Amino acid sequence: GNSVTQMEGPVTLSEEAFLTINCTYTATGYPSLFWYVQYPGEGLQLLLKATKADDKGSNKGFEATYRKETTSFHLEKGSVQVSDSAVYFCALRAQKLVFGQGTRLTINP
Amino acid sequence: EADIYQTPRYLVIGTGKKITLECSQTMGHDKMYWYQQDPGMELHLIHYSYGVNSTEKGDLSSESTVSRIRTEHFPLTLESARPSHTSQYLCASSVASGGYQETQYFGPGTRLLVL
Repeated sequence: GNSVTQMEGPVTLSEEAFLTINCTYTATGYPSLFWYVQYPGEGLQLLLKATKADDKGSNKGFEATYRKETTSFHLEKGSVQVSDSAVYFCALRAQKLVFGQGTRLTINP
Repeated sequence: EADIYQTPRYLVIGTGKKITLECSQTMGHDKMYWYQQDPGMELHLIHYSYGVNSTEKGDLSSESTVSRIRTEHFPLTLESARPSHTSQYLCASSVASGGYQETQYFGPGTRLLVL
């Protein structure tokens, strides 16, 4: 079946550090890929998405590229801020939406 | 920006009480979903609907029930709350015709504590 595997957390970085959160997937066909972010006490917000191979999704300084050859969709940001502290979920949409387990990110000033 | 609302945001209630969690969206989306999020963050689909008068159970068995009488409204009901129902409940909606590109938009969630 379809599945998503994320980098295990928690991840703790200092402000202005480079961020990578790994995400790999298993799916039949050509799924769309998503990153959602959940700030403390809130619901999920769509951060970015990519619908086909080699597409790059970007938003708020975050980027992720749909890599079919490595079945990956890693989330990156060049310089993180304290306000980026949240839980990040990678997800794929094939027959249905499938989430990874989430990665908790904490940014220290 | 998605317009999907959930009330209440927080609810503390005693065992055995009946509760209804409200979810409304103003985007005219046909599909709506309820997820339960455990403290370990994992999300579990408990109910979904493809339109008015359509409701289906999700991947995780739940004692809750749902109804879809209006397109914009998808309430979730627990007839008799128990401490095991303590969780965060997230509502989402999407356009029916999205196929593999379907994007779900989430509400702010209801955090339920059953004493």
